[in-house]
Amino acid sequence: GDSVTQMQGQVTLSEDDFLFINCTYSTTWYPTLFWYVQYPGEGPQLLLKVTTANNKGISRGFEATYDKGTTSFHLQKASVQESDSAVYYCVLGESSGSWQLIFGSGTQLTVMP
Amino acid sequence: EAAVTQSPRNKVTVTGGNVTLSCRQTNSHNYMYWYRQDTGHGLRLIHYSYGAGNLQIGDVPDGYKATRTTQEDFFLLLELASPSQTSLYFCASSVGTGNAEQFFGPGTRLTVL
Repeated sequence: GDSVTQMQGQVTLSEDDFLFINCTYSTTWYPTLFWYVQYPGEGPQLLLKVTTANNKGISRGFEATYDKGTTSFHLQKASVQESDSAVYYCVLGESSGSWQLIFGSGTQLTVMP
Repeated sequence: EAAVTQSPRNKVTVTGGNVTLSCRQTNSHNYMYWYRQDTGHGLRLIHYSYGAGNLQIGDVPDGYKATRTTQEDFFLLLELASPSQTSLYFCASSVGTGNAEQFFGPGTRLTVL
């Protein structure tokens, strides 16, 4: 079945640093890929959605793309701020049955002032 | 923006206890979901529904029942709670499935002693 792997459990940066988070996915169909963000004490919320390989999704200074050749997708931001501290989930839209969301295990981003 | 509320926000029960978690959404979404969130696992789908009276099984349904009484209300039932069900539970809703954005509630923290 479809799956998503998110290897970076924790990332610690300083303000104005560059952020790059990477996930890999497995699916037999055309993927729809999402990034959700979860702030402390809240539920996850949609940050970005990407439906076409090599096309960027852009929101709140974050960019996301995916590469069909390497079956990977990425989230990046040129200059992080302390307010970006949160958990970031890569998510695959399941395409071979239930059409549900498959969440990665999450990356805890901590940005030091 | 969709409004999803959950109650209670915190619950403590004992092994073998009976617990009901409630979720209400006020944006007329067809789909509603129950997830559990555990460290290292991200969010895992327990049950979901595409309308009043409908119930679909998710990825981790064992030990859980659910009922969708109206379009707005979705309940998660633990009839014989066990310590392994200690977790943070999220409800979500969406207009459709697959590519549709899911809107999450604030979560219910359940502790089973």
